[in-house]
Amino acid sequence: DARVTQTPRHKVTEMGQEVTMRCQPILGHNTVFWYRQTMMQGLELLAYFRNRAPLDDSGMPKDRFSAEMPDATLATLKIQPSEPRDSAVYFCASGTRGNTEAFFGQGTRLTVV
Amino acid sequence: GESVGLHLPTLSVQEGDNSIINCAYSNSASDYFIWYKQESGKGPQFIIDIRSNMDKRQGQRVTVLLNKTVKHLSLQIAATQPGDSAVYFCAENDGSYKLIFGSGTRLLVRP
Repeated sequence: DARVTQTPRHKVTEMGQEVTMRCQPILGHNTVFWYRQTMMQGLELLAYFRNRAPLDDSGMPKDRFSAEMPDATLATLKIQPSEPRDSAVYFCASGTRGNTEAFFGQGTRLTVV
Repeated sequence: GESVGLHLPTLSVQEGDNSIINCAYSNSASDYFIWYKQESGKGPQFIIDIRSNMDKRQGQRVTVLLNKTVKHLSLQIAATQPGDSAVYFCAENDGSYKLIFGSGTRLLVRP
């Protein structure tokens, strides 16, 4: 059963700490998306990768957020330093070029106190 | 865990009735539309999609209708079941990689 796997599922951290969220896309998928979901903003696109290259990260606050794909099986989203306003559920999704359907992971619920 | 907020429009239906969830999209250049279902504590799950050269597409118990004239999309669920209770999002795509999501509608199914 192919699925997108995200870790951790929940993370509580103190303001100022570094947070790293991980995503394993579905094997064979070459596009990866990071979304953030909050009550106020809904689902927002933070970053988009194709073939491991970042094509769009315009949705991310550049001063504190970074997204990478060290290899085809791992995508990371890092926040340093974290702030309370970063509290949200972060979703990773993967897909294949030419197929705009994105398969979502279960999300990482981040709480920054 | 709750994934979405408390301020969503809510549709409450009796089990066995049909549900209709509506969505207005903004970009007239959008040519691909998807409905997603999100259950509490889970990520959005693909339900059905439709391209702009169609005005109707049917799946298992679900039908999507597209009216490009008024930029309106609807999802019809036949014989709604308790397991259909979730938040439903429409998403639009203009041919690029980006999916733009709507704000969502919460569906509650009364037993």
